[in-house]
Amino acid sequence: GAVVSQHPSWVICKSGTSVKIECRSLDFQATTMFWYRQFPKQSLMLMATSNEGSKATYEQGVEKDKFLINHASLTLSTLTVTSAHPEDSSFYICSARGISGLAGITGELFFGEGSRLTVL
Amino acid sequence: DAKTTQPPSMDCAEGRAANLPCNHSTISGNEYVYWYRQIHSQGPQYIIHGLKNNETNEMASLIITEDRKSSTLILPHATLRDTAVYYCIGALKTSYDKVIFGPGTSLSVIP
Repeated sequence: GAVVSQHPSWVICKSGTSVKIECRSLDFQATTMFWYRQFPKQSLMLMATSNEGSKATYEQGVEKDKFLINHASLTLSTLTVTSAHPEDSSFYICSARGISGLAGITGELFFGEGSRLTVL
Repeated sequence: DAKTTQPPSMDCAEGRAANLPCNHSTISGNEYVYWYRQIHSQGPQYIIHGLKNNETNEMASLIITEDRKSSTLILPHATLRDTAVYYCIGALKTSYDKVIFGPGTSLSVIP
C-alpha cells in the first residue's frame, strides 16, 4: 500500500528553538496533507490541512505563526514548530490522501510513523 | 467534532472474535465509515472502510446496519498484537476531506 514517511521520528530541542518535521508521500501524489498532534493518552487532534501550492488551513485554536506549514510539492509537506516551548512537546503525525493511484481510489488516509518532539 | 461515538474500552480473550461497535447516526449519505487502529506510539493503521454493504478483508470484517446509523468492526480471531486503540471515522472518499478523530475504543486482548 501507499506509504507516508515522516522525519525525524524523534527530536529533542531546547526551549526557544525551531524544529522542522518533514512528511513525504513515497509512492503517490498528495495535493492535501494533514497534520495532527497527539498528547499522551489522548486522541489525534487535527491541527491543519496542508494544501499543495497554497496556504494551509488551520483548525480553531491552532496558531498559524507558531506552527508553520509548507506544502511545496505534491510529495512533501513540512511542519515547523517555531520558538518551541515545553508545552509543545507532543507526538506529531502527518497523513495524506492521494490524487492518483491506490490512495486516490479508496480515499484511504495514510499516516506517517509520527514524530515525537520533546522540548527541554 | 467527531461524527462517531464508540465505547471507551473493551476486553477480548485471545483467539476469540472482537466486536467493536460504532454509532454514526449523523454521517451523511455519501460519507464512508473508515476504521483505523493505533498501536502505542505509532501512526494509525488503516483497517477497512465501507459505505452501505458489509466488507471483509484480510484484517477484519465491517458490518454496517441497513440504516447506516451504526456499524461493527469484527476481528475474527483476536491476537495479543491486536491490542490497540480503534477509531471509527465518517469521511468522504476524497483527497481533501479532513478526518476528525474521536476518542476511539481501547481494545485489550487478554491471554
